[in-house]
Amino acid sequence: DIQMTQSPSSLSASVGDRVTITCRASQNINSYLIWYQQKPGKAPKLLIYTASRLQSGVPSRFSGSGSGTDFTLTINGLQPEDFATYYCQQSYFTPLTFGGGTKVEIK
Amino acid sequence: QVQLQESGPGLVRPSETLSLTCTVSGDSVTSGNYYWSWIRQAPGKGLEWIGYIYYSGSTDYNASVNHPSLKSRVTISLDTSKNQFSLRMTSVTAADTAVYYCARDRDGYNFLYWGQGLLVTVSS
Repeated sequence: DIQMTQSPSSLSASVGDRVTITCRASQNINSYLIWYQQKPGKAPKLLIYTASRLQSGVPSRFSGSGSGTDFTLTINGLQPEDFATYYCQQSYFTPLTFGGGTKVEIK
Repeated sequence: QVQLQESGPGLVRPSETLSLTCTVSGDSVTSGNYYWSWIRQAPGKGLEWIGYIYYSGSTDYNASVNHPSLKSRVTISLDTSKNQFSLRMTSVTAADTAVYYCARDRDGYNFLYWGQGLLVTVSS
């Protein structure tokens, strides 16, 4: 199985901050990396696919980068609605696996 | 607009079989090259992919080393007449307590459309 490791597991930030979340794969997954946002009691929402492509309707303050084993999700100018938990997922091959999540909290 | 809705019992007894259905609207489970998946999330925990059924009927299940028994207990099937797909999980234990989501991909092994989720508790 491909293990996905996210860091940090949680962070505190203020509105307007730039936030960076990292995700590391246990082996090369090229650009087969997805980012999701999940709010309490809700299903995850797809933000970024193929490591850096923004899903339609997702604000441009979200961006993704990386390839191979190291990936980054960046939120430029954190907004109140961005406080949530973020997950990465490898879509390289099955079993599909997720990172442990990063909870973004209000400072 | 594609919508998915999970249904099934919220309480299942240990050793029994969990059966959930996902009803799809706005799309057909047999049209397009889509994967119809089940994903679960234990309370306070992360996301775990259970498996998928492809529009053609082929399936793939999580044979993770972390859950070696999961693949042998799971079956995902299509009901084209009702535009649904289903999850069947046998011999459940408390470790199977989770919110179960059904989902459809965007274009490959990703999940764009999700149901709202259904909490299933395994308890006597």
